[in-house]
Amino acid sequence: DIQMTQSPSSLSASVGDRVTITCQASQDISNYLNWYQQKPGKAPKLLIYDASNLETGVPSRFSGSGSGTDFTFTISSLQPEDIATYYCQQYAFFGPGTKVDIK
Amino acid sequence: QVQLVQSGAEVKKPGASVKVSCKASGYTFTGYYMHWVRQAPGQGLEWMGWINPNSGGTNYAQKFQGRVTMTRDTSISTAYMELSRLRSDDTAVYYCARDLRYGSGSYGMDVWGQGTTVTVSS
Repeated sequence: DIQMTQSPSSLSASVGDRVTITCQASQDISNYLNWYQQKPGKAPKLLIYDASNLETGVPSRFSGSGSGTDFTFTISSLQPEDIATYYCQQYAFFGPGTKVDIK
Repeated sequence: QVQLVQSGAEVKKPGASVKVSCKASGYTFTGYYMHWVRQAPGQGLEWMGWINPNSGGTNYAQKFQGRVTMTRDTSISTAYMELSRLRSDDTAVYYCARDLRYGSGSYGMDVWGQGTTVTVSS
């Protein structure tokens, strides 16, 4: 099985800060990597697919990059509504999540 | 609009089975694989499997092989996930989610149901 690791597991940042989350796969997964946002009590929401493609309707402050085993998810300017847990996913495997809140 | 509406919360005893439904609307039901993902309280997301609504073909996570059955009724655009021999650690929110890509299982999930809480308790 592929193992997905994320770091950090949680972070606290100020409004307007640039936030970066990394996801590492245990083997080469090309660009088959998706990112989701989940707010408490809600279903996950797809933000980025195929490592760097922004899902329709998602604000452009969200972006993704990477290929192979190392991937990065960035919020260019953190907003209060971005408070959530973020998950990377490759096929059947999800990362453990990164909880983002406001400092 | 495209949406998935799931059945209501369930409370089951250990050893019982539960069947969750997921009704699709706003798109061609048979065109997109349907995934099932669960989330235990305070935990992360766990993929359970998918069903191809067109063929009825399925692919289950190894962990759930022998306990999960995914089916569909194309006449009412509804997918089902049945989990048997329930244990207390099956207590979770169960989501259905549409695959991102038409006609294939890319595993990206772009439309999600609202979730169904299943509680397993004696």
